[in-house]
Amino acid sequence: AQSVTQLDSQVPVFEEAPVELRCNYSSSVSVYLFWYVQYPNQGLQLLLKYLSGSTLVKGINGFEAEFNKSQTSFHLRKPSVHISDTAEYFCAVSGLDYKLSFGAGTTVTVRA
Amino acid sequence: NAGVTQTPKFRILKIGQSMTLQCTQDMNHNYMYWYRQDPGMGLKLIYYSVGAGITDKGEVPNGYNVSRSTTEDFPLRLELAAPSQTSVYFCASSSSESTDTQYFGPGTRLTVL
Repeated sequence: AQSVTQLDSQVPVFEEAPVELRCNYSSSVSVYLFWYVQYPNQGLQLLLKYLSGSTLVKGINGFEAEFNKSQTSFHLRKPSVHISDTAEYFCAVSGLDYKLSFGAGTTVTVRA
Repeated sequence: NAGVTQTPKFRILKIGQSMTLQCTQDMNHNYMYWYRQDPGMGLKLIYYSVGAGITDKGEVPNGYNVSRSTTEDFPLRLELAAPSQTSVYFCASSSSESTDTQYFGPGTRLTVL
């Protein structure tokens, strides 16, 4: 079984500043890792995913994440945030059983 | 191509009432899922289906039932509503690959009083 820990429940950040959201996972088998974003009153949509290969993954809206197997981490970053990036971000992990396990979420609030 | 649609968007139930949350996808996905989202808890898998006629329990199935008679539809049934079922419910679908993206519907906000 897999599990995910998102280390920050809330991250306030100023517009145009960088942001990093931390995610650690635990699993006894190879995993696939995902970051989803949920804008207010909407469903979740995929930002990016790591399946294999390069450990640096680029996603939509300027986000990227780095897979670190030795530290079992998959942190999400954006070099310069916009007001429109205000949302809740979820890290998720799945194994070969295609079932996703989600973290508790990180709320990002971007201020002008 | 509407993706994943859910109805209703909002619903208030009294304790003991029953209801069905509807979910339809038009992407011809084999896999479908029901999650509930509680504040500060992330999403928990209730039930999932790998194809028409096949369903299985997820992490939190108690108090719910599902059926999958067609590829497109995956309704979630609450038989005896309880306050603990107050939550936001999301339906999702994906193709047969474990690496595939799950596509989510807009959610149903359910309150049980």
